[in-house]
Amino acid sequence: RKEVEQDPGPFNVPEGATVAFNCTYSNSASQSFFWYRQDCRKEPKLLMSVYSSGNEDGRFTAQLNRASQYISLLIRDSKLSDSATYLCVVAYSGGYQKVTFGTGTKLQVIP
Amino acid sequence: DTGVSQDPRHKITKRGQNVTFRCDPISEHNRLYWYRQTLGQGPEFLTYFQNEAQLEKSRLLSDRFSAERPKGSFSTLEIQRTEQGDSAMYLCASSPTGPKGEQFFGPGTRLTVL
Repeated sequence: RKEVEQDPGPFNVPEGATVAFNCTYSNSASQSFFWYRQDCRKEPKLLMSVYSSGNEDGRFTAQLNRASQYISLLIRDSKLSDSATYLCVVAYSGGYQKVTFGTGTKLQVIP
Repeated sequence: DTGVSQDPRHKITKRGQNVTFRCDPISEHNRLYWYRQTLGQGPEFLTYFQNEAQLEKSRLLSDRFSAERPKGSFSTLEIQRTEQGDSAMYLCASSPTGPKGEQFFGPGTRLTVL
């Protein structure tokens, strides 16, 4: 089983739609969770951290479920500019900040 | 620009040649990571530095790969006797010390081995 698993997609959604991605992780000792966004042939960029209580940043909401070991990302009112690959990232301090990336979920927002 | 920088951005080499990549992290960040990414995959961890100390190396990192961070600032990644399977994007990231550990990535070096 992979340490971090994501549905690769692609998710094709119309503008204005709401879309949600899930990500599961296998290491119950994981401590920090992030969503990164990666545009085609560009480097990953931090989208948001994921907190136990859940957090929101504009149209983006991230949730963490430690019991079931998954995190989610909800995007409301999708924009064309949201088209990208969304990477789930899980980290724990095994003496250092060991970080594992998922393979990413591709989102295509259609006019 | 105070972000992470990498040089070169693109490298084309012939099989069997050696290549070296450089990464300059954000100046106040003491953690530095190297990753490799191929098409359709997420970044795969290669190695990690805390200041000048290399604290972790992935099993992916064969003995042809070596990384250094001699003064705890910039880092170099060298690949000896390159193989076609080494073709990938090599990403460098840095982060500050602390429990959260958000990483900030450089633009990457795209390596093509012919």
